[in-house]
Amino acid sequence: AQKVTQAQTEISVVEKEDVTLDCVYETRDTTYYLFWYKQPPSGELVFLIRRNSFDEQNEISGRYSWNFQKSTSSFNFTITASQVVDSAVYFCAAPDFNKFYFGSGTKLNVKP
Amino acid sequence: KAGVTQTPRYLIKTRGQQVTLSCSPISGHRSVSWYQQTPGQGLQFLFEYFSETQRNKGNFPGRFSGRQFSNSRSEMNVSTLELGDSALYLCATRDSSSYEQYFGPGTRLTVT
Repeated sequence: AQKVTQAQTEISVVEKEDVTLDCVYETRDTTYYLFWYKQPPSGELVFLIRRNSFDEQNEISGRYSWNFQKSTSSFNFTITASQVVDSAVYFCAAPDFNKFYFGSGTKLNVKP
Repeated sequence: KAGVTQTPRYLIKTRGQQVTLSCSPISGHRSVSWYQQTPGQGLQFLFEYFSETQRNKGNFPGRFSGRQFSNSRSEMNVSTLELGDSALYLCATRDSSSYEQYFGPGTRLTVT
């Protein structure tokens, strides 16, 4: 089974600050996927990114970027120039066959 | 394509009653998974259905059951409700070629 750890329970930043959300995973699989999801106050989990274990290139999408490092078993997520609309709970997740294992989530508060 | 829909969105039940929640997947998605989200336990996998068969099950008591219909719609049933069953129940669907799960808005169940 996979294990996903998000040590940061809650982070507060002021708008326009950069913020990094940490995710550490444990797996015995040689091939695996990792995901990030965003959960705004409405409750629906929104898919952000999927990364497979073969691809260690960093990914950037607008203000979002992801740093995947197999050597440290980390898949960190950075928001550049944060905005109030980024306030949400962010989850890192790893599937094991057809079960998803989620981290405990990091609540991000972006203050104006 | 229409997204994942869940009904009802909110539900209040009393202890001992039973409840049925419904999930309609994105068109073409045959896999439906259910998750329970509580403040204390986080996001926990309940079960997954594919082509009307349960493929995976999480560590929940037998009071939690589900089924899937030929049109891929799924229902989840909880019998003999307990206070601890109060939670946000999320449904996620995916097509068979991808690991990406797409979540519905959830059903918030309150047991009094």
